[in-house]
Amino acid sequence: AQSVAQPEDQVNVAEGNPLTVKCTYSVSGNPYLFWYVQYPNRGLQFLLKYITGDNLVKGSYGFEAEFNKSQTSFHLKKPSALVSDSALYFCAVRDPNFNKFYFGSGTKLNVKP
Amino acid sequence: SQTIHQWPATLVQPVGSPLSLECTVEGTSNPNLYWYRQAAGRGLQLLFYSVGIGQISSEVPQNLSASRPQDRQFILSSKKLLLSDSGFYLCAHQGEPGNTIYFGEGSWLTVV
Repeated sequence: AQSVAQPEDQVNVAEGNPLTVKCTYSVSGNPYLFWYVQYPNRGLQFLLKYITGDNLVKGSYGFEAEFNKSQTSFHLKKPSALVSDSALYFCAVRDPNFNKFYFGSGTKLNVKP
Repeated sequence: SQTIHQWPATLVQPVGSPLSLECTVEGTSNPNLYWYRQAAGRGLQLLFYSVGIGQISSEVPQNLSASRPQDRQFILSSKKLLLSDSGFYLCAHQGEPGNTIYFGEGSWLTVV
């Protein structure tokens, strides 16, 4: 079965500092991995994905994620956090056999001025 | 471009009443469609997904059902709501080119 885990309920970072939101995965076969962001009372917005190729994936709003096969991780990163980055972030994995997507429990990112 | 619409945005229903949440997609044909529920503002639970008209797969046994009467229409229903059905319901479609899913703005359901 495919699954992802987000070990941190909350991440606090000061504006201007780098941020990392962690995600580990468990999949059979090649992983299809995704990051989404959710602002209060809104739907999820797609940030970036890893399907194949370069392990460093760049996405929207200056975010990037690094795929690490040996550590089964797909951490979300940004070199310099903004207060407006404060939101709920979800890691997801796609089960290619059934075209279903499974989400982690979410990590709340708080960026303080 | 593809867009996804969900309505109503908010709904307050008494226990035992029926439910109908609707989702439609524009700008694509034969999309894969999904219903998720988000409880307490955190994790997403996959409820149903559909690969075509009349084809519905249920992920968890529950008080809800889904239907796909048209190619780009996905409906979440219940005959009798329970308090535990309260939550934030999200419709999603798998866009073109493949792999990524995109979400609607969600529907808040409060059962009282």
